[in-house]
Amino acid sequence: KNQVEQSPQSLIILEGKNCTLQCNYTVSPFSNLRWYKQDTGRGPVSLTIMTFSENTKSNGRYTATLDADTKQSSLHITASQLSDSASYICVVSGGSSGGSYIPTFGRGTSLIVHP
Amino acid sequence: EAGVVQSPRYKIIEKKQPVAFWCNPISGHNTLYWYLQNLGQGPELLIRYENEEAVDDSQLPKDRFSAERLKGVDSTLKIQPAELGDSAVYLCASSLTGDTEAFFGQGTRLTVV
Repeated sequence: KNQVEQSPQSLIILEGKNCTLQCNYTVSPFSNLRWYKQDTGRGPVSLTIMTFSENTKSNGRYTATLDADTKQSSLHITASQLSDSASYICVVSGGSSGGSYIPTFGRGTSLIVHP
Repeated sequence: EAGVVQSPRYKIIEKKQPVAFWCNPISGHNTLYWYLQNLGQGPELLIRYENEEAVDDSQLPKDRFSAERLKGVDSTLKIQPAELGDSAVYLCASSLTGDTEAFFGQGTRLTVV
């Protein structure tokens, strides 16, 4: 069964600090991995996408890594801001249904940034 | 360009009553998803459409839930009758194809009392 596990479940940090969120998956075959940010009361918004051959990808203060061998990904947030407070969801596309890949969602990591 | 539009944003109903949610995907997006999201959890797929065809509805509780996507554009998700445990956020998303980025609507927050 395709699964995506995220850790930690929740995280509280002070403004300006860095943090790293983890994602482990068992989705096979693998197509891509996305990190989404979901603000309270809003739908998820994509931050980064990584394919099998990519190890690192940055989007501003967000840097995602992917180790396809160990099936692990991380999202590193540098110099956190209050607006980073949100849920961060790891989504792995793979498997196969109806001839196309399907996304499997993790439960998300709830990040709270305190001033 | 408008993103994925969902309505209503909020809905409060009594148990055993019917309820319907509406989704207008991004123009040109062939794939449409309905997700259920409980508080503190990630979205869970209910049904996925490729154009008009429901290609993955294995997680849809078919005894009370139904969905349709007429003409391969707008979609509606219906619950009849609603139960207390159906209280959640119902998210709609669309993408060009099943393997490209999914864009989400703001969701409909359903409260069943």
